[in-house]
Amino acid sequence: EIVMTQSRLSSPVTLGQPASISCRSSQSLAHSDGNTYLSWLQQRPGQPPRLLIYKISTRFSGVPDRFSGSGAGTDFTLNISRVEAEDVGIYYCMQATQFPLTFGGGTKVEIK
Amino acid sequence: EVQLVQSGAEVKKPGESLKISCMGSGYSFSTYWIGWVRLMPGKGLEWMGIIYPDDSDTRYSPSFRGQVTISADKSLRTTYLQLSSLKASDTAIYYCARLGYGDVYAMDVWGQGTMVTVSS
Repeated sequence: EIVMTQSRLSSPVTLGQPASISCRSSQSLAHSDGNTYLSWLQQRPGQPPRLLIYKISTRFSGVPDRFSGSGAGTDFTLNISRVEAEDVGIYYCMQATQFPLTFGGGTKVEIK
Repeated sequence: EVQLVQSGAEVKKPGESLKISCMGSGYSFSTYWIGWVRLMPGKGLEWMGIIYPDDSDTRYSPSFRGQVTISADKSLRTTYLQLSSLKASDTAIYYCARLGYGDVYAMDVWGQGTMVTVSS
């Protein structure tokens, strides 16, 4: 089973400032088909999770362009260029390269 | 509109059993994997298992194998999560989610969640 480990944000974020969340996998997420199936999900309070980014860096339909993803192999990052109030919630990385699929522990984004 | 609609909240006593449903609409139901995810109070998302409705191929997380049963009825466009011998520690929100196909190979559509409370 691939273990996903996420960073914690060091402190609440000021509105309009950037935020960066890291995710590391216990083994490479590169699939034999050439793709890397690392995605990011957002869970706002009281709501189901929502897909933000898939295959490391592709934004899902309707996701604002202030969200971006990067990385390769075992190290990945989700960036929010300018945090807005609606971005409050918990962010999860998830790998779909092999079964069982696994989530990171989640990173909470709070506003200062 | 593509959506997954789950059955309603449940309150159960320890030792009882439970079956939660998740009905898909707006897409070719049989040809997308549907997974189940647990969210315990104050904890993170946990992937429980997944089923391919067309042939009921099912894969479980090692943490949940033997503890839950996932099934599907493609004629009803519905997948199920069965929990037996419930304990207080099964209190959680359970989500179903679709694993996208082709380019979007990620959990792209989520049900609204089913809250399960186990209490004597």
